Amino acid sequence: DQQVKQNSPSLSVQEGRISILNCDYTNSMFDYFLWYKKYPAEGPTFLISISSIKDKNEDGRFTVFLNKSAKHLSLHIVPSQPGDSAVYFCAARDNNAGNMLTFGGGTRLMVKP
Amino acid sequence: DSGVTQTPKHLITATGQRVTLRCSPRSGDLSVYWYQQSLDQGLQFLIQYYNGEERAKGNILERFSAQQFPDLHSELNLSSLELGDSALYFCASSVEQENSPLHFGNGTRLTVT
Repeated sequence: DQQVKQNSPSLSVQEGRISILNCDYTNSMFDYFLWYKKYPAEGPTFLISISSIKDKNEDGRFTVFLNKSAKHLSLHIVPSQPGDSAVYFCAARDNNAGNMLTFGGGTRLMVKP
Repeated sequence: DSGVTQTPKHLITATGQRVTLRCSPRSGDLSVYWYQQSLDQGLQFLIQYYNGEERAKGNILERFSAQQFPDLHSELNLSSLELGDSALYFCASSVEQENSPLHFGNGTRLTVT
């Protein structure tokens, strides 16, 4: 049973445009959500997070939106740059069940110059 | 650089063998997590240690075991290896604090032939 799902395995965007990556979850106990970026031959790198008490968190070009009623979160990258090309993983945690994260399957983002 | 160090980077071994993967967490982090990533899939949680004690267990096979030593480094032992154990194994560390992200190492790529 996949508790965190990223339904788009890949996404292609033109440089300068907006990239929107989506993630859905099923466990209503999740209360902390994160996005990680992964380049080949490297480990996942923490990008941005959001607590369930918020519906938006912004850090530079990156914004994460959380819709708790829909159990959906998204990552917006504006403007997209070729260096953003990577695999993006959504992850979630139930803070009352420990610190481990449950990951989605990832979305490969390709930003074309 | 996340500050999490994993060795070796690559490991090639035969079926039936046993290997040990090593992880040094970020300075100050007491929690260590092990994850497995197979065939460009999402990361599957295996096990967590906190200050030397097992804290949480995920989808870890009985053939796999882990420990965390007094200096906080951790080892993941994989025995009676099968072809299907070929994967990337990531270690992550964190402070044991609500809403704190995990920081990942660059992984060990295990190939079982």
